[in-house]
Amino acid sequence: NAGVMQNPRHLVRRRGQEARLRCSPMKGHSHVYWYRQLPEEGLKFMVYLQKENIIDESGMPKERFSAEFPKEGPSILRIQQVVRGDSAAYFCASSPPGRAQETQYFGPGTRLLVL
Amino acid sequence: DQQVKQNSPSLSVQEGRISILNCDYTNSMFDYFLWYKKYPAEGPTFLISISSIKDKNEDGRFTVFLNKSAKHLSLHIVPSQPGDSAVYFCAASASNTGKLIFGQGTTLQVKP
Repeated sequence: NAGVMQNPRHLVRRRGQEARLRCSPMKGHSHVYWYRQLPEEGLKFMVYLQKENIIDESGMPKERFSAEFPKEGPSILRIQQVVRGDSAAYFCASSPPGRAQETQYFGPGTRLLVL
Repeated sequence: DQQVKQNSPSLSVQEGRISILNCDYTNSMFDYFLWYKKYPAEGPTFLISISSIKDKNEDGRFTVFLNKSAKHLSLHIVPSQPGDSAVYFCAASASNTGKLIFGQGTTLQVKP
């Protein structure tokens, strides 16, 4: 039973480029969450999605950031026109239906470096 | 506004002894609490959780205690092992949301 998968593990972008981060949840999990960890800080919630629906995006920056979880395929976190402050580790987590609160299983993360 | 706080950035204990990691929260709407362990360059690994209707939950060497009146929880690891050396995050959630609110983390070092 594969865990949460994220790719790429490392991503380097120049300022102004786009970054696309992918997350495949654990089998049977229909809830996906994205978190960001800045250096020397804890994880900060960004967005909570179910298939084809955004449930809570209260942690997403208003501009340049978007997320989706289509009916087929992985969840995508897209950052347009990246800036140096976007450099961070981005973690995806998933949970089974009805157990969102009890536990979330995390992927290995994507480390984004903006030059 | 830091709703979940881990006031000790680091903790060092001797192998075989007890490790106690602390966490405080401010939001009375939180009703589920989780502990995660994280190694460098990896994602957080779920350790143990507790519902607000309980005051203790135990799983092997790990025990979590919840004091709702003090809005405080702690993770006890007994006996501590060198492989437990990692960053430990406390997280909380409210039943009407799916998101976890994390503390800043405590780095635990277990010395052989």
